[in-house]
Amino acid sequence: DAGVTQSPTHLIKTRGQQVTLRCSPKSGHDTVSWYQQALGQGPQFIFQYYEEEERQRGNFPDRFSGHQFPNYSSELNVNALLLGDSALYLCASSARLAGGRYNEQFFGPGTRLTVL
Amino acid sequence: QKEVEQDPGPLSVPEGAIVSLNCTYSNSAFQYFMWYRQYSRKGPELLMYTYSSGNKEDGRFTAQVDKSSKYISLFIRDSQPSDSATYLCAMSAVRGSTLGRLYFGRGTQLTVWP
Repeated sequence: DAGVTQSPTHLIKTRGQQVTLRCSPKSGHDTVSWYQQALGQGPQFIFQYYEEEERQRGNFPDRFSGHQFPNYSSELNVNALLLGDSALYLCASSARLAGGRYNEQFFGPGTRLTVL
Repeated sequence: QKEVEQDPGPLSVPEGAIVSLNCTYSNSAFQYFMWYRQYSRKGPELLMYTYSSGNKEDGRFTAQVDKSSKYISLFIRDSQPSDSATYLCAMSAVRGSTLGRLYFGRGTQLTVWP
């Protein structure tokens, strides 16, 4: 089991550009959540995808959008990049259990985005 | 007030010491409590996962949850230099609109020196 994988590992962009980050969940998991972790801070929830729909969203602007594919993999898109978008972007996967509960969330290694 | 508060440290202890890491929270809907370990520039690794109140032990690690005080702890016995990392507490609700969303503390940076 490869666990949660993310690509690319590192990315450097300039202000105003657009970026797409990718995530493949752990085998058997159907739910993907994205988090942003600024340096020295805990991860902040961006949004969650289940059954190819955005189910929840944190306090992030519409510049942040996502997608989930039928194989449960997911993309995070950020438009009109700002310097403040520089962070580690983490993908976490989990399985939705009976009764709507979730099991543990497992994180990928992250994509480090630098905006110049 | 942030939903989850965690002292960022840094915390520096000698090898073999008992380490105590703590978080407080304000949302009484939280019932899942987790501790993640994060090495520098890596993704968080799940260490402990508990539901509701009580203790859970796994090897050198013990997680405690006191819901009446809204306080959770992670104890590390016989600490090793390889335990040097940032420890993140996280929690989530079991129902409602935020189901499955994790709320994190800012992490405590731990160094265990030989």
